[in-house]
Amino acid sequence: GAVVSQHPSRVICKSGTSVKIECRSLDFQATTMFWYRQFPKQSLMLMATSNEGSKATYEQGVEKDKFLINHASLTLSTLTVTSAHPEDSSFYICSASSGLLSYEQYFGPGTRLTVT
Amino acid sequence: ELKVEQNPLFLSMQEGKNYTIYCNYSTTSDRLYWYRQDPGKSLESLFVLLSNGAVKQEGRLMASLDTKARLSTLHITAAVHDLSATYFCAVVFYGGSQGNLIFGKGTKLSVKP
Repeated sequence: GAVVSQHPSRVICKSGTSVKIECRSLDFQATTMFWYRQFPKQSLMLMATSNEGSKATYEQGVEKDKFLINHASLTLSTLTVTSAHPEDSSFYICSASSGLLSYEQYFGPGTRLTVT
Repeated sequence: ELKVEQNPLFLSMQEGKNYTIYCNYSTTSDRLYWYRQDPGKSLESLFVLLSNGAVKQEGRLMASLDTKARLSTLHITAAVHDLSATYFCAVVFYGGSQGNLIFGKGTKLSVKP
């Protein structure tokens, strides 16, 4: 149980375009989803936290207008990287949690974004 | 400032040897995770430690937690090549309504024959 999927697993896009990454909880309802970014040879950095039906909470230094997060249902959250630039190339990982009293996060397989 | 520090960041071991990875954290927390990450992959959950003195073991890996010292250890016994990966510890921070994970920088383990 507690499976989280991400789509796509890899994406290459041109500079200036937008790309959407989906995160789905397959067998549980995720009231909270988290988006992380991981640059090569570095740790995971939390970008934002989203609760179903409400606006995402962004970490300091993360541009909310550039990284649009939508958590429209209890099983789906999307991250849209708008006007992507090469420096946005990274490994994006989502995680999902089932409730306020459960701090357990289940991680997706990640999405490798390359901006050319 | 919230900090989670791992030591060492790089570890090269010979097969059959023992070693310990340390994880110190600066914030009050009673929930600590250890994860494994293989190159190009996401995180695999290894252990969750929920209370002071907690000890968990799985195969050649054993994790412990001392909440008073704010220290967790991941001990590797008789290392084998398959354990080569990057290991992260992460601490739950209860700053908001939903606990956030604060990650260490990771320890890259290389086990050589």
